[in-house]
Amino acid sequence: GENVEQHPSTLSVQEGDSAVIKCTYSDSASNYFPWYKQELGKRPQLIIDIRSNVGEKKDQRIAVTLNKTAKHFSLHITETQPEDSAVYFCAAFSPTRGKLTFGQGTILTVHP
Amino acid sequence: GAGVSQSPRYKVAKRGQDVALRCDPISGHVSLFWYQQALGQGPEFLTYFQNEAQLDKSGLPSDRFFAERPEGSVSTLKIQRTQQEDSAVYLCASSLVLAGSFGETQYFGPGTRLLVL
Repeated sequence: GENVEQHPSTLSVQEGDSAVIKCTYSDSASNYFPWYKQELGKRPQLIIDIRSNVGEKKDQRIAVTLNKTAKHFSLHITETQPEDSAVYFCAAFSPTRGKLTFGQGTILTVHP
Repeated sequence: GAGVSQSPRYKVAKRGQDVALRCDPISGHVSLFWYQQALGQGPEFLTYFQNEAQLDKSGLPSDRFFAERPEGSVSTLKIQRTQQEDSAVYLCASSLVLAGSFGETQYFGPGTRLLVL
């Protein structure tokens, strides 16, 4: 089945710096890759997603890149702000399994 | 519009008790998913409904776990004879269209935090 590995598990940056979180997946058929932000005690919220026919997608300070050959995708947050502090999860959708598999999460802390 | 809602938000159960967790998906959403999220981990798939049909229950940890969505809207996850290892946050998510061959955005509820003593 699909296996999604996420790194790093914790990331600490200064306000204004960039943050990068990386994920790898095992099922080459996976075709949809969402990123969720989860604040403490809150629901996971979709922040950006990318499909396998696209290599990069950007939304203001957030961007995602996908390398299908290497089976990895990354989340890039520029000009980080303290309110970006949260747990971020990547996920991969495999059509052969019909479900999302999540990474283990990255705790991002942005220091003022 | 209203998002996915779940109740109760918190549940404390004594070991051996049965619990029922409710999920109200976004109106009109066809697909409904249940996940279990252990502390410090990502959500783990439990089961999936397409309207009232339970298409995949491969993630249910044991036969003590049972889910239903009888009218294709509200869903209930039932855990019988709860054990301490069942303590986790149970998340429900819904999506507008069929999961099919292409992933679609899943909208999550706030979760039910279950503590089994």
